[in-house]
Amino acid sequence: GAVVSQHPSWVICKSGTSVKIECRSLDFQATTMFWYRQFPKQSLMLMATSNEGSKATYEQGVEKDKFLINHASLTLSTLTVTSAHPEDSSFYICSARGGQTFLNEQFFGPGTRLTVL
Amino acid sequence: GENVEQHPSTLSVQEGDSAVIKCTYSDSASNYFPWYKQELGKRPQLIIDIRSNVGEKKDQRIAVTLNKTAKHFSLHITETQPEDSAVYFCAASNSNDYKLSFGAGTTVTVRA
Repeated sequence: GAVVSQHPSWVICKSGTSVKIECRSLDFQATTMFWYRQFPKQSLMLMATSNEGSKATYEQGVEKDKFLINHASLTLSTLTVTSAHPEDSSFYICSARGGQTFLNEQFFGPGTRLTVL
Repeated sequence: GENVEQHPSTLSVQEGDSAVIKCTYSDSASNYFPWYKQELGKRPQLIIDIRSNVGEKKDQRIAVTLNKTAKHFSLHITETQPEDSAVYFCAASNSNDYKLSFGAGTTVTVRA
């Protein structure tokens, strides 16, 4: 149980285009989903927290107009990187928290490798 | 916000020896402390966690200790094997917003 999928696993795009990444909890309802970014040889940095049906909360320094997050259902959250540039190239990982059943524990998706040319 | 510091940044051990990674945290409201193992290009994998009402937890070759007073927690891996080679992250969160704050990571290399 507690499986989180992410799609696509990798994407290469041209500078200026937008990319959408999907995060799904497959066998539980995710009260909260989190989006992280990880640059090579660095730690995971939280970008934003999203709760189903409400606006995402962004961490300081993360541009909400550039990284659009939608959490339309208890099993799906999407991250759209708008007008992507080479500096947005990174490993994007989502995680999901399943409410009282799992308390604090977060379940991570497999990540999406974004390369912007 | 929470600040988690992790040491050392790299650790090389002989197969069969023990490895210890230490983390400190700043927010006294933190009550959940997971440890993750991450291999290159993969998702973080939870290997053990501890909650603030427990001082120590063990799972086979892996153990975690927590000192709430000093705000530090440690990961102990005994009888290390080459497959233990990976990057290990500590993290901390609380029951208010459940956000995970990660340490900078420790690259562990187990020499055969």
